[in-house]
Amino acid sequence: QVQLVQPGAEVKKPGASVKVSCETSGYTFASYYMHWVRQAPGQGLEWLGIINPGGGTTRYAQKFQGRVTMTRDTSTSTVYMELSSLRSEDTAVYYCARGGFYDTDAFDIWGQGTMVTVSS
Amino acid sequence: QSALTQPASVSGSPGQSITISCTGTSSDVGSYHLVSWYQQHPGKAPKLIIYEVTKRPSGVSDRFSGSKSGNTASLTISGLQAEDEADYYCYSFARTTTLFGGFGGGTKLAVL
Repeated sequence: QVQLVQPGAEVKKPGASVKVSCETSGYTFASYYMHWVRQAPGQGLEWLGIINPGGGTTRYAQKFQGRVTMTRDTSTSTVYMELSSLRSEDTAVYYCARGGFYDTDAFDIWGQGTMVTVSS
Repeated sequence: QSALTQPASVSGSPGQSITISCTGTSSDVGSYHLVSWYQQHPGKAPKLIIYEVTKRPSGVSDRFSGSKSGNTASLTISGLQAEDEADYYCYSFARTTTLFGGFGGGTKLAVL
């Protein structure tokens, strides 16, 4: 079955970077867009960006431009989201969420989330 | 600040129907038939329950239905059950120079 597997947690200091992985299985990796969404404690969902695993092209939310980088490794069917210059407000659960063949498709499968804690 | 506006909370009794609204603009909800809805239980990842305004993924109960009028999309849950108590989020695509898509702020549904 389709699975998106993420690490459980990361702890980082302010100013550092975090790189969260999302290992996929059960479908053709290059054929489905992948989104990244985060959720701060007690808050709503926030869209970070999208990557086309086939060609590697990306589009980021304006708020995160310059701080976020999404990449993929086709040999391991894994996508990555790296966020730099971390601050306490970046403490959140980060989810990868599979889109569809088109970048406009809804998010049908979600990873279990990675809790990123930014603390000195 | 969320791209789309949802009520913070709604409530209903078992068996009743409720509707959650999701208000955007002519650049997102009003221009595209690309609104989706997600259900999230505490401590869990969101789950897709409606896509392309009205469509239900396989396995989602037909008690969930979606609609849209102008810049506002709506999610209706009929025959409320205790297990429907959760947070609900709408999302709309919006291809502009500064926006690709965004979520509503979320609505907490209480089944009383």
